[in-house]
Amino acid sequence: SYELSQPPSVSVSPGQTASITCSGDKLGKKSAFWYQQRPGQSPVLVIYQDTKRPSGIPERFSGSNSGNTATLTISGTQAMDEADYYCQAWDSSTVVFGGGTKLTVL
Amino acid sequence: QVQLQQSGPGLVKPSQTLSLTCAISGDSVSSNSAAWNWIRQSPSRGLEWLGRTYYRSEWYSDYAVSVKSRITINPDTSKDRFSLQLNSVTPEDTAVYYCARDNWNYSNGFDYWGQGTLVTVSS
Repeated sequence: SYELSQPPSVSVSPGQTASITCSGDKLGKKSAFWYQQRPGQSPVLVIYQDTKRPSGIPERFSGSNSGNTATLTISGTQAMDEADYYCQAWDSSTVVFGGGTKLTVL
Repeated sequence: QVQLQQSGPGLVKPSQTLSLTCAISGDSVSSNSAAWNWIRQSPSRGLEWLGRTYYRSEWYSDYAVSVKSRITINPDTSKDRFSLQLNSVTPEDTAVYYCARDNWNYSNGFDYWGQGTLVTVSS
């Protein structure tokens, strides 16, 4: 079965750039999605189709996907960006999620 | 604005059936550009997609291999909602369960989620 791997945690200073990676076999040939989940809340879609932002998502969120790795980049990270981030892809007609990355802003 | 409102019991006994419902407002369960999913989350398994139902001139469903023998997701067109039934539950099925829409306009990303329901499997 298809698997996606993420680092368990990433730390960033306020105002700096955070990068969260997601690795999977030939992931670049699939569309990658990213979700933000704050404690006690439902996930929120922040990136779809590798690089696109849904309406209402700040421009500081961006994405890329090539080879075996998709990357979520948060530029000018703010305290409110502290959350868990999950990548996701479709494999045939089923869904795979990464294990999640806890982003700490300190 | 789409809203998904979940309902159902928070406690289920082992070997029994877990049943949850997700009521849709602002869209239709019969939409030709969306599908209606159930996803669960637990500390041990993270986010786990369970399955979905969708209408494309006829009804279809897709299920995760891990639960395929125990799961049914049904649409209810009369009330614009859909349901999850998971049979023969064990404590490993304890999780927060979410319903979610995947939307063709977002390349089948999950753009709306329900509020989540904590379901505990315990006697």
